[in-house]
Amino acid sequence: AQTVTQSQPEMSVQEAETVTLSCTYDTSENNYYLFWYKQPPSRQMILVIRQEAYKQQNATENRFSVNFQKAAKSFSLKISDSQLGDTAMYFCAFMSPRNYGGSQGNLIFGKGTKLSVKP
Amino acid sequence: ETGVTQTPRHLVMGMTNKKSLKCEQHLGHNAMYWYKQSAKKPLELMFVYSLEERVENNSVPSRFSPECPNSSHLFLHLHTLQPEDSALYLCASSQVVRDEQYFGPGTRLTVT
Repeated sequence: AQTVTQSQPEMSVQEAETVTLSCTYDTSENNYYLFWYKQPPSRQMILVIRQEAYKQQNATENRFSVNFQKAAKSFSLKISDSQLGDTAMYFCAFMSPRNYGGSQGNLIFGKGTKLSVKP
Repeated sequence: ETGVTQTPRHLVMGMTNKKSLKCEQHLGHNAMYWYKQSAKKPLELMFVYSLEERVENNSVPSRFSPECPNSSHLFLHLHTLQPEDSALYLCASSQVVRDEQYFGPGTRLTVT
């Protein structure tokens, strides 16, 4: 079965500094998608960044970038120049594009990392 | 309204009540999802609908009954719930099943 592990339940960072959130996953698939979602306190979950496993280049979205290590099954999120608005729960998620065990397109989430950005 | 909306945002119900959660997506997507988010647990996928047909039912108890009358609307009918069903219920949609998902704000459900 596919699993996603986020080993850091909570993290904090000073405003304007850089922080890296860890995520590892387990799969026997060769092609799949990985996502980072952000859920601010009492607000909507939004997609931060997406990575296709067949792409070697790490995805970036403004201050957010990933370090995708396919062999190690690692997918960490780096937030540069942290802002107070980055305070949120961050969820790593995995999706297999195939109809895997009847679960096509299912997002499998980690337990999340609570990030606090301090002024 | 834009994106994915959910009503009500908060719901308190007794164990013998019947209530419904509503989700509406304004993105022209063809797939919709219900998730359960409990404290200290990963999001749990409950149901998946693609083109108004249910394609996934992750062993959810029958006291949860989904309904998808069209590709823009998704309901979750609730009856005789248990206190452990208290959670945040999230709706999501995607263009197709194997695409990135966009989430609604959720309904915070408390079962007393």
